[in-house]
Amino acid sequence: AQSVAQPEDQVNVAEGNPLTVKCTYSVSGNPYLFWYVQYPNRGLQFLLKYITGDNLVKGSYGFEAEFNKSQTSFHLKKPSALVSDSALYFCAVRDYSYAGNNRKLIWGLGTSLAVNP
Amino acid sequence: DTGVSQNPRHKITKRGQNVTFRCDPISEHNRLYWYRQTLGQGPEFLTYFQNEAQLEKSRLLSDRFSAERPKGSFSTLEIQRTEQGDSAMYLCASSLLPRVNGEQFFGPGTRLTVL
Repeated sequence: AQSVAQPEDQVNVAEGNPLTVKCTYSVSGNPYLFWYVQYPNRGLQFLLKYITGDNLVKGSYGFEAEFNKSQTSFHLKKPSALVSDSALYFCAVRDYSYAGNNRKLIWGLGTSLAVNP
Repeated sequence: DTGVSQNPRHKITKRGQNVTFRCDPISEHNRLYWYRQTLGQGPEFLTYFQNEAQLEKSRLLSDRFSAERPKGSFSTLEIQRTEQGDSAMYLCASSLLPRVNGEQFFGPGTRLTVL
């Protein structure tokens, strides 16, 4: 079965420190992976995606993610966290369970990131 | 504003009433998705359209739920005979084909509270 796991409900980091939000996946085909961020009372915003190519993907707001095929992981990272990065982060993978051009995503449960001043 | 918009942003209704939500996608986007999100959970897929055709419906979408996209532009999601369990944030997203594996752009959501 295809799935996405975000093993941490919450991540706390101090401002200025590096942050990592973890994501692992299980898919039947090539993994197309996405990270989205959700600020309070706001819609989901796209951060970055991995389709193919370099394992290190750079995205919005200084975030990057590292694709690791052997560990089936796609962890989100940022070298220096800001208080304004505090939000809910979702990892998602394309659903291969249906034939055709379905672009439906399978979503993780989300990780709440709190950056402390 | 050229993003995805949803109306209303908030809806409070009594159990048993019908509600309708509207989503206006980014104008050139041909795919439109509806999701439901409850507190502490990721988005749950409900249905999606390619232009005006509804191509897939989740098993989560009971007979009380119906969605339309009559002209391939805006979409409506109607819930009939609402139940308290329908209380959630309803998210709309759009994307563009044939951009392969393009990201979905989300609206701000409609928060439904069923009393």
